[in-house]
Amino acid sequence: DIQMTQSPSSLSASVGDKVTITCRASQGISNYLAWYQQKPGKVPKLLIYGASTLQSGVPSRFSGSGSGTDFTLTISSLQPEDVATYYCQKYNSAPLTFGGGTKVEIK
Amino acid sequence: EVQLLESGGGLVQPGGSLRLSCAASGFIFYNYAMSWVRRAPGKGLEWVSAISGSGGTTYYADSVKGRFTISRDNSKDTLYLQMNSLRAEDAAIYYCARHPGSGTYYFFDYWGQGALVTVFS
Repeated sequence: DIQMTQSPSSLSASVGDKVTITCRASQGISNYLAWYQQKPGKVPKLLIYGASTLQSGVPSRFSGSGSGTDFTLTISSLQPEDVATYYCQKYNSAPLTFGGGTKVEIK
Repeated sequence: EVQLLESGGGLVQPGGSLRLSCAASGFIFYNYAMSWVRRAPGKGLEWVSAISGSGGTTYYADSVKGRFTISRDNSKDTLYLQMNSLRAEDAAIYYCARHPGSGTYYFFDYWGQGALVTVFS
């Protein structure tokens, strides 16, 4: 099975900072990669699919890139409401594996 | 408005069984594949199982294969997860999630609020 590895597992940044989260697949998955945000006590929310397509209603400060095995989620200017855990998920085939998550906090 | 409402969570002893339900509304249920995803305390998201829109194709994570069964009743717009031989490590919030199409190789565009399953001895 393909493994999904996220880094870092946690980060702390200041409001307005650019934040980058990386997701690596153990084998190529083309662009079948989604990103989710889960705020404390809340339901996961789809941010990006197809590696780079922004879900409707998601702020434009979020962006995704990559293809094959290496992917990136970028928050261009971190806001207090972005405190959450972020997950990547591959969906080219079953199992529909998630990465381990990246917890983002405000410094 | 798309709504997914889970029910059936609760307390169960190791080795016991539980059936989760997810009532869907606001969309044509049989046109969409569905999945169950869980989050154990202190852990990340884990995909559990998926089922196609027709119900004819199912997939399972290795961790639940042979113990859990996913099914759906398209006449009732309801998704199910039958969980048998429950273990301590199955304790989690279980979310039902919709795929944006009838196939199972997809991301999840809508999520329910979750059902809490606690396994205690």
